[in-house]
Amino acid sequence: AQSVTQLGSHVSVSEGALVLLRCNYSSSVPPYLFWYVQYPNQGLQLLLKYTSAATLVKGINGFEAEFKKSETSFHLTKPSAHMSDAAEYFCAVSSINNNDMRFGAGTRLTVKP
Amino acid sequence: NAGVTQTPKFRVLKTGQSMTLLCAQDMNHEYMYWYRQDPGMGLRLIHYSVGEGTTAKGEVPDGYNVSRLKKQNFLLGLESAAPSQTSVYFCASRQGDGTYNEQFFGPGTRLTVL
Repeated sequence: AQSVTQLGSHVSVSEGALVLLRCNYSSSVPPYLFWYVQYPNQGLQLLLKYTSAATLVKGINGFEAEFKKSETSFHLTKPSAHMSDAAEYFCAVSSINNNDMRFGAGTRLTVKP
Repeated sequence: NAGVTQTPKFRVLKTGQSMTLLCAQDMNHEYMYWYRQDPGMGLRLIHYSVGEGTTAKGEVPDGYNVSRLKKQNFLLGLESAAPSQTSVYFCASRQGDGTYNEQFFGPGTRLTVL
């Protein structure tokens, strides 16, 4: 079975500061990893995905994540936070068939002016 | 191109009542999914479908039934609603061409069972 743990249910950063959202996974098969963003009262939108190609994955809105197999991690980063980044972020893991996706509990990002 | 739409957006039920949530997608996707989202638990898969006429159980299927009579629609039914089914329900769809493709999510249905 696969699972994801997101460290920190709430993260607060100042505008312009580094954003770091942590995600650790557990999987008995090669994992496919994702970060989704959810703005208030909306559905989830894919930020980026790792599917066994490059370990450093670049996504939309300036976000990127690095797959580290030795640490079973897939942390999400952005060099400089913007007010519009305030949202809830979900890390997810699946196997290749993608019908068994497991989501983390989510991290709510607050950006202070 | 509306993407994934869900009907209704909000609903309040009494315990024991039944209802059906409708998900529609206009992207000709093969795969469709129903998730529930609860505070502090992320999204959990209820049921999914790999094509018209097929359905399969996900992580938390109990208390729900689904049908996929048309490729573009995926219905989620609650036969006898319980307060534990108070949640936000999301539908998603993706292509099914054998390689990984992202899931596209609808805006959600907020259900309260009293």
